[in-house]
Amino acid sequence: DQQVKQNSPSLSVQEGRISILNCDYTNSMFDYFLWYKKYPAEGPTFLISISSIKDKNEDGRFTVFLNKSAKHLSLHIVPSQPGDSAVYFCAARRIQGAQKLVFGQGTRLTINP
Amino acid sequence: GAVVSQHPSRVICKSGTSVKIECRSLDFQATTMFWYRQFPKQSLMLMATSNEGSKATYEQGVEKDKFLINHASLTLSTLTVTSAHPEDSSFYICSASGRNNQPQHFGDGTRLSIL
Repeated sequence: DQQVKQNSPSLSVQEGRISILNCDYTNSMFDYFLWYKKYPAEGPTFLISISSIKDKNEDGRFTVFLNKSAKHLSLHIVPSQPGDSAVYFCAARRIQGAQKLVFGQGTRLTINP
Repeated sequence: GAVVSQHPSRVICKSGTSVKIECRSLDFQATTMFWYRQFPKQSLMLMATSNEGSKATYEQGVEKDKFLINHASLTLSTLTVTSAHPEDSSFYICSASGRNNQPQHFGDGTRLSIL
């Protein structure tokens, strides 16, 4: 049972344009969502998070949007830069109780010059 | 930002060997540490959660006698893969979390290859 899904395994975007990565979840008990970026042979790096009391959180070039009714979140990167090329994982958890994260399958983002 | 150090980064060893992987939080006290496993082109799968000074909680399907976890201090957790076999070859990643609502910070992972 895949509780967190990233349906696009890969995405190519031109440098300077907007990258939009999508994530869907099925467990309505999740109330805290995170995006991580991962380079090969490295651990994931935390990018940005959002709690279910918000529908948007922005940090520099990164913005995460949460649509609770649709159980959908997205990460917007604008403008996209070549260094953004990596695998992006969304993750979800409950704020209270066990802190364990449930990860999506990841989306490989490639920024083309 | 928070730093988590994982060592070694790569291990190649013979079948039957036991391998210990260390995970350290360098600049914060990690009340909880997590161990994940990642197969090629797949997501990170949580193996176990450990709290300092208590027994680890293993996810369903993870053999606790095969994957020994020790979280002896607020800055160190170890994962020992006992009597490793080729099917245990994988990328193992630890993460650490401080206060309850802080994001997990990950180590750089350990590539384990069992011949």
